[in-house]
Amino acid sequence: DIQMTQSPSTLSASVGDRVTITCRASQSINTWLAWYQHRPGKAPKLLIYKASNLESGVPSRFSGSGSGTEFTLTISSLQPDDFATYYCQHYNNDLFYTFGQGTKLEIK
Amino acid sequence: EVQLVESGGGLVQPGGSLRLSCVASGFIFSDYYMDWVRQAPGKRLEWVGRIKERAHSYTTEYAASVKGRFTISRDDSNNSLYLQMDSLKTDDTAVYYCARLWGSGLIDYWGQGTLVTVSS
Repeated sequence: DIQMTQSPSTLSASVGDRVTITCRASQSINTWLAWYQHRPGKAPKLLIYKASNLESGVPSRFSGSGSGTEFTLTISSLQPDDFATYYCQHYNNDLFYTFGQGTKLEIK
Repeated sequence: EVQLVESGGGLVQPGGSLRLSCVASGFIFSDYYMDWVRQAPGKRLEWVGRIKERAHSYTTEYAASVKGRFTISRDDSNNSLYLQMDSLKTDDTAVYYCARLWGSGLIDYWGQGTLVTVSS
């Protein structure tokens, strides 16, 4: 099974900061990677798919990059609504997919 | 607007059963594969199972951890997805999400989740 590892597990930042979250795969996954935002009590929300494609309606301050085994999610200027937990996910047409353990973005 | 709304969670004893429901709206439910995903306390998200659409004979697939105990079904006439959970274990305690799949196995929409607690 492909393992997904995110870092850091927790990140403290302020409104207006630029932050980067990293996701590493245990083997190459090409660009089959998605990023989700999850606020407590809400439905997780798709932000990025195919490593770097911004989902429709997602603000342009979110961006994704990477291929193979290393990927990043960057938020260029943090807004109050961005404080949440972020997950990366390896997906493809195979039977099931795997998630990173999550990165909790907290207000400093 | 796509919406997925789960219900049916609660407290159940080990060995018991529970049936979760997910009502979909805002899209043609019958056209999509649907998944159940769960998150146990302090753990990462875990795929539970999948049901394909009518064109693929409503084929179901399950994670090894729930195979033989959980059953996924759907009622396209009522835009509803179900998860029948039998022989529940304490390890099944989690928030359960229904999710819509879009091309290449990508989840593009999730419900807000329903909490299942298995405890004596």
